[in-house]
Amino acid sequence: DAGVTQSPTHLIKTRGQQVTLRCSPKSGHDTVSWYQQALGQGPQFIFQYYEEEERQRGNFPDRFSGHQFPNYSSELNVNALLLGDSALYLCASSLTASGYEQYFGPGTRLTVT
Amino acid sequence: RKEVEQDPGPFNVPEGATVAFNCTYSNSASQSFFWYRQDCRKEPKLLMSVYSSGNEDGRFTAQLNRASQYISLLIRDSKLSDSATYLCVVLPSGGYNKLIFGAGTRLAVHP
Repeated sequence: DAGVTQSPTHLIKTRGQQVTLRCSPKSGHDTVSWYQQALGQGPQFIFQYYEEEERQRGNFPDRFSGHQFPNYSSELNVNALLLGDSALYLCASSLTASGYEQYFGPGTRLTVT
Repeated sequence: RKEVEQDPGPFNVPEGATVAFNCTYSNSASQSFFWYRQDCRKEPKLLMSVYSSGNEDGRFTAQLNRASQYISLLIRDSKLSDSATYLCVVLPSGGYNKLIFGAGTRLAVHP
């Protein structure tokens, strides 16, 4: 049973560019949450997708957008990249009906130069 | 004020030591509480949930004081493998699993 997977593992982008990160949830999970973790900080909630809709959003600008597909996988898109967007982006999956436990993927490390 | 605040650390302790981490949260309506462990450059993993009655898992004991909005984690008989960052995590009520993380406390256990 595969856990949460994310791609790519690492990537380097230039300021102003756009990036798409991908996440496949744990088998049987229907909810995907995205978090941003800057160096030395705890993860910060970006948004959550359930039934292909954004259900809840954290305090992030509209440059951050996402999508959930019918197979429950998800994408995180960031436009007009800033140096401050450099971080580890974590995807977490859960099963809404079963409560709170979230399983995190290994993350995508984004560096903006 | 941050929603979840933790001891800044780092904690450097010898093997076999007992170490305690503290955490406070600002939202009195928060419904669930956890400790996560994060190894260097890895994803966070659930260590244990925290209940008002206190709970223990081997060498780890977690306590919650709702009146003081305070959470603690005690690690007894520290092992080298306990070296990691420990994240205090709160789930707000009605939060649809939106986890609120503290900044984490780094623990280094040395021989």
